[in-house]
Amino acid sequence: DGGITQSPKYLFRKEGQNVTLSCEQNLNHDAMYWYRQDPGQGLRLIYYSQIVNDFQKGDIAEGYSVSREKKESFPLTVTSAQKNPTAFYLCASSFGSNQPQHFGDGTRLSIL
Amino acid sequence: QKEVEQNSGPLSVPEGAIASLNCTYSDRGSQSFFWYRQYSGKSPELIMSIYSNGDKEDGRFTAQLNKASQYVSLLIRDSQPSDSATYLCAVNYGGSQGNLIFGKGTKLSVKP
Repeated sequence: DGGITQSPKYLFRKEGQNVTLSCEQNLNHDAMYWYRQDPGQGLRLIYYSQIVNDFQKGDIAEGYSVSREKKESFPLTVTSAQKNPTAFYLCASSFGSNQPQHFGDGTRLSIL
Repeated sequence: QKEVEQNSGPLSVPEGAIASLNCTYSDRGSQSFFWYRQYSGKSPELIMSIYSNGDKEDGRFTAQLNKASQYVSLLIRDSQPSDSATYLCAVNYGGSQGNLIFGKGTKLSVKP
């Protein structure tokens, strides 16, 4: 079945630790996105990538990093510089500009 | 600043009634419009896309777009308790980036 797979479903970060969230899609989508959702808030864009080996910062990129070495994969690293990482992280993909985005099931990140 | 505004609700309707969800956006250059449904603790699910003025129907759902008034709405006919969720409006402002701006969502409660 085609879809977007995020892992892990739950993740705990210790003080000073970097953690990486995985996002893989088999929809042959060109564009991939990372969003953060906090309770009562809308989705905020962290990073996006329209093609392999290229990505751009979204509205809240500070404390995060990404890579796009393969079309199917767009991992997000939450670095120790992100002081308030507790949130629901959502990965999405689309065929490109003006096309609907489809979401994975999300990763819940908490601080230990 | 490009914005998407939604009434946060909660909007409460009885089972079998029509639920009407509204969304306004700030940029006249917007090209595509999407409605997502998000159940508590889950990721957003695309339910409707609309690109041109007028109505678009899909089953019990109707999306309505009025670009002159910068307004998009979602009607849910014969509302069911299973429709109880938060509904997110998303607007694509065009350009090569293809980024969506999300509203904060309207929480819908359908009472049996």
